[in-house]
Amino acid sequence: EVQLVESGGGLVQPGGSLRLSCAASGFTFSIYDMNWVRQAPGKGLEWVSYISSSSSSIYYAGSVKGRFTISRDNAKNSLYLQMNSLRDEDTAVYYCARDNVHTSMARDYWGQGTLVTVSS
Amino acid sequence: DIQLTQSPSFLSASVGDRVTITCRASQGISSSLAWYQQKPGKAPKLLIYAASTLQSGVPSRFSGSGSGTEFTLTISSLQPEDFATYYCQQLNNYPFGPGTKVEIK
Repeated sequence: EVQLVESGGGLVQPGGSLRLSCAASGFTFSIYDMNWVRQAPGKGLEWVSYISSSSSSIYYAGSVKGRFTISRDNAKNSLYLQMNSLRDEDTAVYYCARDNVHTSMARDYWGQGTLVTVSS
Repeated sequence: DIQLTQSPSFLSASVGDRVTITCRASQGISSSLAWYQQKPGKAPKLLIYAASTLQSGVPSRFSGSGSGTEFTLTISSLQPEDFATYYCQQLNNYPFGPGTKVEIK
C-alpha cells in the first residue's frame, strides 16, 4: 500500500525555520517525482515545490522561492522541505504528493498533511 | 503564467442531481488537466486526469471532458459522499484552480 506520512510541523515564530519530512513507503520512491502542496486555513490548494526523481529538476512557487528548499533522500525514501524566514502567510497544512507518469503526472497519492503555524 | 478559473465557486445541490463544474484556462492547455476532490480535514483525492480519464477506483458517475481552454467535471447523480470541494489543476504546470464547493441543498 502506498503511504506518504508527513512530519515536522508545529508552531514557529515569524522569521524562524522548520524542516518538514515526508516518509514514503509501498512504492519505489526513487523513480517518482514529488511535490509539496499547502493549504492555508479555509483557503484553496497552493503548489509549493517540485523535485524530480533524481533531484535534477527543482521548482518553487514565487511565494516561497529563496526561502524554502526542497530535497530528497532516495536511500531513505524521504522527501524534505526546509523552510526559512517563515512568515505569517506560510501558515498552512503542508502535503507531500506524488506525481505519476501513468496518470499524466497528476498527483495520485497524497499524505495526510502536517500543520505549520507561524505566529508570535 | 497560465491561470485557472472555476465556476461556480459554490454550488448547492440535492442528492440525485446532475452537477457540472467548469474550469477555464487562460491559455490553451490541450488535455493537460486533472480534477481532485477534497473533503474537510482530508487530503485531496485524484478523480480524473488528462481531462477525461477516470482514476482507478473512482465511481463512474464522475466524468470529465474538454480540451484547450474549457473543461468540465460532471457528477451524473450526486451522492451524499460527493459533497466536497473540487479543484482543477493544470498538468505539467503546477497551479490549482480556486475550487468549487458542493454543498447539500
